[in-house]
Amino acid sequence: DAMVIQNPRYQVTQFGKPVTLSCSQTLNHNVMYWYQQKSSQAPKLLFHYYDKDFNNEADTPDNFQSRRPNTSFCFLDIRSPGLGDAAMYLCATSSDGTGPSLNYGYTFGSGTRLTVV
Amino acid sequence: AQKITQTQPGMFVQEKEAVTLDCTYDTSDQSYGLFWYKQPSSGEMIFLIYQGSYDEQNATEGRYSLNFQKARKSANLVISASQLGDSAMYFCAMREGLGRGSARQLTFGSGTQLTVLP
Repeated sequence: DAMVIQNPRYQVTQFGKPVTLSCSQTLNHNVMYWYQQKSSQAPKLLFHYYDKDFNNEADTPDNFQSRRPNTSFCFLDIRSPGLGDAAMYLCATSSDGTGPSLNYGYTFGSGTRLTVV
Repeated sequence: AQKITQTQPGMFVQEKEAVTLDCTYDTSDQSYGLFWYKQPSSGEMIFLIYQGSYDEQNATEGRYSLNFQKARKSANLVISASQLGDSAMYFCAMREGLGRGSARQLTFGSGTQLTVLP
């Protein structure tokens, strides 16, 4: 089945040690999003790629970066994780600009739960 | 101002009963889409139902229906015949603007934790 896959499912990292979360998709969607979701809160958009165009949210800390080497893959890099960065990180895709779906085919991965120790 | 408001942090419902989860939204766009997602404790975000702003009929998907009242800017989720497996966090979300050729994020409400009692 076409889907969005996030690896790893759980990630433990040390305070200040760079960490990379990955997301891949088989849907051929042109938009990929990264959301941060802290405990009992709504997901908050960090940034998104429309094809190769990177779009950062105004309040996303500089500590967070992203890379999209091709249509299928997108990475979230946290350069120096702090305790406040512990959260669930959700990758999502949508078919904006392509395809017939009226609901734009938003599809979420299973998330990566990041713990900072 | 909050774009999506969910006023019920927690709800309880008896198994096999129906339950309504409230959602109100705020937008100046004429074209928008409203979504409901279910998030179990495992964390994945599961799409339930979608309503476009121009859709004249309320959306239905199996046991889920969306009570769309455009003038009141509300998009309540109705779950009929609740099951124990429905216990989860439920998020209402909105995509403003329906034009293609641009990326539009989903903006989420704060969620409602639904517990189905046996």
